[in-house]
Amino acid sequence: QKEVEQDPGPLSVPEGAIVSLNCTYSNSAFQYFMWYRQYSRKGPELLMYTYSSGNKEDGRFTAQVDKSSKYISLFIRDSQPSDSATYLCAMSASGGSNYKLTFGKGTLLTVNP
Amino acid sequence: DTGVSQNPRHKITKRGQNVTFRCDPISEHNRLYWYRQTLGQGPEFLTYFQNEAQLEKSRLLSDRFSAERPKGSFSTLEIQRTEQGDSAMYLCASSPRQGEAPLHFGNGTRLTVT
Repeated sequence: QKEVEQDPGPLSVPEGAIVSLNCTYSNSAFQYFMWYRQYSRKGPELLMYTYSSGNKEDGRFTAQVDKSSKYISLFIRDSQPSDSATYLCAMSASGGSNYKLTFGKGTLLTVNP
Repeated sequence: DTGVSQNPRHKITKRGQNVTFRCDPISEHNRLYWYRQTLGQGPEFLTYFQNEAQLEKSRLLSDRFSAERPKGSFSTLEIQRTEQGDSAMYLCASSPRQGEAPLHFGNGTRLTVT
């Protein structure tokens, strides 16, 4: 079992839909949770960054962390064609090794106009 | 903040040749990281610098790989005697302080070994 599991999709939705992206993990030491967006042939771009459990909202994006279930989610409201990209979850432990991110495989999202 | 800059964007080389990539981190970021991403996978950690000191190397970094950050600013990643399995996107990231902010990635160098 990989440390971080993410359904690679692909996921196709109509413009304006609410998108739900999820990851599960097995390492209980993970404390920092991130979502990155990656367009084709580009580097990952940080979308959301949370520490420990709870919700965080930024515009159309909401990140949720449930450490008891080892489950994290990213919700995209009013999705736009420009949101079409691969979404990567990433996480790290606290302390001295928190720079070592463990990524999921990424979910390819297409938002159709 | 001009972002993390990586050069070249794409490198095509023949098996057995040496290649070198460069990364310029966000200014004032004293931490620099290299990751590798293969097709359909998430990035994987390779190595980490704090200023000019290389503090950790992944077991993924074989003896053919060497990374340097001579003055604590830009970094280079060299691959000697390239193999087809080295074909991947090599990503550089930087951060200002441990535990303070997450990693910000550059657009990567895509290596194709023929």
